Amino acid sequence: SQTIHQWPATLVQPVGSPLSLECTVEGTSNPNLYWYRQAAGRGLQLLFYSVGIGQISSEVPQNLSASRPQDRQFILSSKKLLLSDSGFYLCAWTRLALSSYNEQFFGPGTRLTVL
Amino acid sequence: AQSVTQLDSQVPVFEEAPVELRCNYSSSVSVYLFWYVQYPNQGLQLLLKYLSGSTLVKGINGFEAEFNKSQTSFHLRKPSVHISDTAEYFCAVSGGGGYNKLIFGAGTRLAVHP
Repeated sequence: SQTIHQWPATLVQPVGSPLSLECTVEGTSNPNLYWYRQAAGRGLQLLFYSVGIGQISSEVPQNLSASRPQDRQFILSSKKLLLSDSGFYLCAWTRLALSSYNEQFFGPGTRLTVL
Repeated sequence: AQSVTQLDSQVPVFEEAPVELRCNYSSSVSVYLFWYVQYPNQGLQLLLKYLSGSTLVKGINGFEAEFNKSQTSFHLRKPSVHISDTAEYFCAVSGGGGYNKLIFGAGTRLAVHP
């Protein structure tokens, strides 16, 4: 069966510090991968998605970046965090769609607090 | 472009009462619709999905939803809720353009009271 991991689970960082959040998927190959941010009391905002190694698409311009160094690894980074980067970050994966849409499977999330 | 509107930000209900969480969408293409549930400080779990076929979709935990194309709605229902159903519920529509992108609504917080 497939599983998705995220770490760390919680993180408190000062403004201006760097960020690295990691997501890994097990039990599947060549998944589509996604990073979402959920601000307090708000819905999910898609930040990045990736359909393959080194292939990253950005949905929202911001000071965050993403990378996919391996097939089942997705990393969210920032060089300098802002207060507005606080939130709950969710990674998700889906099978490569051939003819219809597949549901996304979500990781447990990382709660980031920027002080 | 697709969009999703969840009409209620919060829905309080008593245990064993029925509940309906409303979701409307806009799309210029064929849609695929999803309902997810999020328990506190956890990721999202799929409740049910509509891809094609019967407009009444049954999901896990006794939930069901009805796809109404003419009203562009996909409301979620449960005939009798439990305390354990207290959670945030998100409606989502396929984003189009491939890649299985989803557009999420802002969420509805369901609070079940004894």
